[in-house]
Amino acid sequence: KQEVTQIPAALSVPEGENLVLNCSFTDSAIYNLQWFRQDPGKGLTSLLLIQSSQREQTSGRLNASLDKSSGRSTLYIAASQPGDSATYLCAVRNQAGTALIFGKGTTLSVSS
Amino acid sequence: DGGITQSPKYLFRKEGQNVTLSCEQNLNHDAMYWYRQDPGQGLRLIYYSQIVNDFQKGDIAEGYSVSREKKESFPLTVTSAQKNPTAFYLCASSFRTGGNNSPLHFGNGTRLTVT
Repeated sequence: KQEVTQIPAALSVPEGENLVLNCSFTDSAIYNLQWFRQDPGKGLTSLLLIQSSQREQTSGRLNASLDKSSGRSTLYIAASQPGDSATYLCAVRNQAGTALIFGKGTTLSVSS
Repeated sequence: DGGITQSPKYLFRKEGQNVTLSCEQNLNHDAMYWYRQDPGQGLRLIYYSQIVNDFQKGDIAEGYSVSREKKESFPLTVTSAQKNPTAFYLCASSFRTGGNNSPLHFGNGTRLTVT
């Protein structure tokens, strides 16, 4: 059964720092991987989707990488800002499955 | 603007009562999903539907029921058989399931409290 793990569970950094969030999954036979952002009490906002054939995707200050063979993905945030403070979740879609399987998230706090 | 609407935002019920959570989308998405989120648990799949009049159980379907009579709507009923119904419920949608690369779009959630 696919399991998704995110480390660390929480992270605090000063404004301006570059940072990396980690996501690992136990079954490398995935179809795609998606990163989301969740603000307190809100729904999830899709940030980046990486297909299994891709190595990375970029959107603005965000860069997500995928190493399917090792079961890992990273979300790189450049020049962090207080507005980046939120919980970041990764989720995978199995090749044989039809719904996303989520990690528990990393809660990021960026101080000014 | 296209999107997913969940209503109400907050819902309070007495134990033993059934309650229905609404989810409507105007994104013309085929697939719709219901997830439950608890503190420290992440998101867990309750039910999903790929097409109208068809739906499948997720990992934690016991005590819940759904219907998909229209493409735009996927209501979730939390029955009295659900042991711990207090949670944050999230509805999502996408274009097709089963191998498609369509990203998932989420509503803003309904926080259900049962006392």
